[in-house]
Amino acid sequence: NAGVTQTPKFRVLKTGQSMTLLCAQDMNHEYMYWYRQDPGMGLRLIHYSVGEGTTAKGEVPDGYNVSRLKKQNFLLGLESAAPSQTSVYFCAGGQTYEQYFGPGTRLTVT
Amino acid sequence: AQSVTQLGSHVSVSEGALVLLRCNYSSSVPPYLFWYVQYPNQGLQLLLKYTTGATLVKGINGFEAEFKKSETSFHLTKPSAHMSDAAEYFCAVSDRVGGATNKLIFGTGTLLAVQP
Repeated sequence: NAGVTQTPKFRVLKTGQSMTLLCAQDMNHEYMYWYRQDPGMGLRLIHYSVGEGTTAKGEVPDGYNVSRLKKQNFLLGLESAAPSQTSVYFCAGGQTYEQYFGPGTRLTVT
Repeated sequence: AQSVTQLGSHVSVSEGALVLLRCNYSSSVPPYLFWYVQYPNQGLQLLLKYTTGATLVKGINGFEAEFKKSETSFHLTKPSAHMSDAAEYFCAVSDRVGGATNKLIFGTGTLLAVQP
């Protein structure tokens, strides 16, 4: 099993550009999460999903959108990237409170 | 509301010395508590967890943590540090308010350095 995978691993965007980050899991997790990690701030929840077809806002949802059309995939979109969205993004999945993390996507917005 | 405080953003120990990373939590309901480890340029990996039962829990790589309800603490320890323990460690508490979301609330992390 690959577990939780994220695509791409690195990306550089210019301000105003859009992109989609893909998270895929082969562990049949019901719950999936998108976090951003910034120095000194730990992990902050952006959006999450409690099942296929559902999404909900987390702690820092502004500027992001998500979709969960298939149970195994959770997409994070940036419609108009801003320098404040420079961060490392982690996806996680789980069936209980225990979460399994992907390797991360390092995004730089210039 | 639930919250997590990790005292000490940076901790440095000598190889072979005791590792103690502090975590205090705030929760209005009985918490589930977790420690995760993050090695450079990697995702987070579960070290150990407390849900119910025995308050001293053992995890991978020789780490353990004790849930102390009276002190609202869940400190992480390892008797003898190894160079390979150098990483960032995150404490997390379950967010059990607001329905079945299985969300976690993370602390800001403690970066552990191990000196030879």
